[in-house]
Amino acid sequence: AQSVTQLGSHVSVSEGALVLLRCNYSSSVPPYLFWYVQYPNQGLQLLLKYTSAATLVKGINGFEAEFKKSETSFHLTKPSAHMSDAAEYFCAVSDHNQGGKLIFGQGTELSVKP
Amino acid sequence: GAVVSQHPSRVICKSGTSVKIECRSLDFQATTMFWYRQFPKKSLMLMATSNEGSKATYEQGVEKDKFLINHASLTLSTLTVTSAHPEDSSFYICSARDRLAGGLPYNEQFFGPGTRLTVL
Repeated sequence: AQSVTQLGSHVSVSEGALVLLRCNYSSSVPPYLFWYVQYPNQGLQLLLKYTSAATLVKGINGFEAEFKKSETSFHLTKPSAHMSDAAEYFCAVSDHNQGGKLIFGQGTELSVKP
Repeated sequence: GAVVSQHPSRVICKSGTSVKIECRSLDFQATTMFWYRQFPKKSLMLMATSNEGSKATYEQGVEKDKFLINHASLTLSTLTVTSAHPEDSSFYICSARDRLAGGLPYNEQFFGPGTRLTVL
């Protein structure tokens, strides 16, 4: 079975500081991994996805993530946080064996201090 | 492109009544739609996978008679919460996968804005 674990339910950074949100996965097959962002009372928006091409994936809003098979990780980073980045972030893995349904991590709430 | 809408955005109902939530893909056709439930400060829990023209596939522990799903067209899926009770209060989110992208597992799911259900 596939799963993802997000380390840290809440991360707080100062505006302009590096953002690092951690995600580790468990999968017996090469995984497809996703990062989504959710603003309050809204649905999810895709930030980026890994589909076995380049290991460093660039997404929207300046975010990027690096797939590291040896560490089973897919951490999300952004060099400089903006106030508008404050939101809930979800890492997800696509289940190959069940029609590609998404299995989500627990989520990490990002706060950005001025 | 790739917009998914949900209606209503929020609904308040009395205990014992039924509520229908619509999920529409506005600019693409979706053979597969997914219904999720999200509790406050919690992750998304997949309830069921809805396939156009066939019965939905429910996740373990989800009552299919309570959460009725209909996917009658390539652009519309509905979730009906029957005989709603306060414990059904939650944020319900749907997502859809573009038919033209195929059923490949790495293809993006597009999410609706969610429906806030409050049962009094």
